[in-house]
Amino acid sequence: GDSVTQMEGPVTLSEEAFLTINCTYTATGYPSLFWYVQYPGEGLQLLLKATKADDKGSNKGFEATYRKETTSFHLEKGSVQVSDSAVYFCALKDSGGGADGLTFGKGTHLIIQP
Amino acid sequence: NAGVTQTPKFRVLKTGQSMTLLCAQDMNHEYMYWYRQDPGMGLRLIHYSVGEGTTAKGEVPDGYNVSRLKKQNFLLGLESAAPSQTSVYFCASSIQGAGGFQTQYFGPGTRLLVL
Repeated sequence: GDSVTQMEGPVTLSEEAFLTINCTYTATGYPSLFWYVQYPGEGLQLLLKATKADDKGSNKGFEATYRKETTSFHLEKGSVQVSDSAVYFCALKDSGGGADGLTFGKGTHLIIQP
Repeated sequence: NAGVTQTPKFRVLKTGQSMTLLCAQDMNHEYMYWYRQDPGMGLRLIHYSVGEGTTAKGEVPDGYNVSRLKKQNFLLGLESAAPSQTSVYFCASSIQGAGGFQTQYFGPGTRLLVL
C-alpha cells in the first residue's frame, strides 16, 4: 500500500535559519504530493502541492520539488520565522482519481526560537 | 464562507456511551471525509463519502458509522464509545481537481476523550 515517511521532531531552529523537512513516499501509482500545516489548536491547511515529476510547489516562502527518481518531496524554507512554528504533514493522493482520502505522514513538529 | 465547521469542539464520554459528530461545509463539495489524528500516527481515514446518500470505509472504520443525508453534512457516529477512540477527529471536504488530484479542506477538529 501507499505510505509516507517524514522526519519526526520536534525540530528546533533559530529564527532566520534554513529549514529542510524530509519526506519520502511509496505509492503504487503516480501520486500527487502535498504539504499541509497545522497551527496550534487548528485544523490542517494546505501549504503547497505538486502533481507531476519535477513540479515545484511554493507558498509563503516554502518550496518542495516532486522528485520521482528519489520518491521524495522535501520541504524547504530559506529563512524561518517564529510564526512558522507548527506541525507539518507530508501527504499523497495516489493516481486513479478516486475519492478515497489522502495518505499522511506522521507529522513533523517545528519549533522556531527567537 | 465558513468553509468546514465541526460540532462539538470538545466532548468527554464514558465507555459505552454514544454520540454523533457533525461536519458541515458550505463550499458545495461532493466529497467529504472523516479522519482521526493520534499522537505519532498522523491522520488516518475513517470513512468517506462521494456524494449525498453514499458512504465508504477508509483505513480504520471499525466502531464508527457515518451518514450523508444532505450534501453539506457528514455525520460520524460512535454507537458504544471505547477508550481507544480517544482522539482528535477532523472532517474534510474536496472537489475533484484538474488532473485527478484533490485539495482537501479541513475543519478545526473535535477533541474526544473517552473515559
